[in-house]
Amino acid sequence: GAVVSQHPSWVICKSGTSVKIECRSLDFQATTMFWYRQFPKQSLMLMATSNEGSKATYEQGVEKDKFLINHASLTLSTLTVTSAHPEDSSFYICSARVYLDSYNEQFFGPGTRLTVL
Amino acid sequence: AQSVTQLGSHVSVSEGALVLLRCNYSSSVPPYLFWYVQYPNQGLQLLLKYTTGATLVKGINGFEAEFKKSETSFHLTKPSAHMSDAAEYFCAVTLNDYKLSFGAGTTVTVRA
Repeated sequence: GAVVSQHPSWVICKSGTSVKIECRSLDFQATTMFWYRQFPKQSLMLMATSNEGSKATYEQGVEKDKFLINHASLTLSTLTVTSAHPEDSSFYICSARVYLDSYNEQFFGPGTRLTVL
Repeated sequence: AQSVTQLGSHVSVSEGALVLLRCNYSSSVPPYLFWYVQYPNQGLQLLLKYTTGATLVKGINGFEAEFKKSETSFHLTKPSAHMSDAAEYFCAVTLNDYKLSFGAGTTVTVRA
């Protein structure tokens, strides 16, 4: 149980285009999902917190107009990278939060590799 | 704010040898602590966690960690390394059971 999927697993796009990444909780409902960004050989940096039915909360320094987040249902959150540029190339990982064993655990998706040419 | 520091960005061990990965945390209140493993081009998998109770925590794949409040540490160990343990390991902390803060990560290589 507690499986999180991401689609696509990798994507290559041209500079200036927009790319949508989906994060789904397959066997549980998640009112909260998180989006992280990971550069090569670096740690995960939290970009934003996605809450079902409300606006996402972005971390300091993350452009909300560039990284659009929509949490339309209890099992799906999407991250859209708008007008992508080469510096947006990164590994994007989502997680979904669920209450287990008296605390809220995060389950992580497999990640999406974005390359912007 | 809470944070974790992983000492050593790279650890190399021989197959069969002890694996020791160090993590120290900074927190004003009792934290929840986690160790995750990441294989190349994959997401994170939870190895083990400390929330409350027993300070020695056993996880998957033979790993364990001990929460030491006096030392503000949560070091990860495995008695005997296996080739399949080669991966990136992240220590993480949360205070409010909400956002996770990750350490910089430690790359483990296992020599045959």
